[in-house]
Amino acid sequence: ETAVFQTPNYHVTQVGNEVSFNCKQTLGHDTMYWYKQDSKKLLKIMFSYNNKQLIVNETVPRRFSPQSSDKAHLNLRIKSVEPEDSAVYLCASSYDWGEYAEQFFGPGTRLTVL
Amino acid sequence: GDSVTQTEGQVTVSESKSLIINCTYSATSIGYPNLFWYVRYPGEGLQLLLKVITAGQKGSSRGFEATYNKEATSFHLQKASVQESDSAVYYCALSPHMGYKLTFGTGTSLLVDP
Repeated sequence: ETAVFQTPNYHVTQVGNEVSFNCKQTLGHDTMYWYKQDSKKLLKIMFSYNNKQLIVNETVPRRFSPQSSDKAHLNLRIKSVEPEDSAVYLCASSYDWGEYAEQFFGPGTRLTVL
Repeated sequence: GDSVTQTEGQVTVSESKSLIINCTYSATSIGYPNLFWYVRYPGEGLQLLLKVITAGQKGSSRGFEATYNKEATSFHLQKASVQESDSAVYYCALSPHMGYKLTFGTGTSLLVDP
């Protein structure tokens, strides 16, 4: 099956802990993204990688760091989570990073910070 | 910066009735933006429903249509006769001309009553 896969589906943790989310795409795409969907349902891009190179780094706190081992994987690590990090994190991929490249999304990881 | 506004958070429509989901946008980059509708069915990831990259054109997919109205800066989604399987969350989005960064609206949850 070719798609974008994310693990875990849900994660509950306490303030100050470190979490890591995994994303893998089997579509053969060169570009991958991380988005954050907050409690107001606003979906915002956080990072974008093209061929393992960071090409977009929106203004996100430094405790967020993407990690790419190859162009099929883009993980997201959050050091010392805070309550405002509670959100759904969506991973996506596209064939390239041109304006017409359709983005394919994973099902998301819901993070709850207590 | 760019923004997308969807005024209805939730819409309920009876099966076989018509549907319109409103979307307006504001784009600050040079040139006309590319416009998209994404859909998220229960338990699935976001997927592209339709896109229009030329002002004045109409896009269509799975019975849905949306017309790129640059004068009104709108991109409303319409369907003449909805089905229960159309129940999902619909997101309007834009990317800048010659750019790829997607800006999403907050989504409209559609519930179709059988």
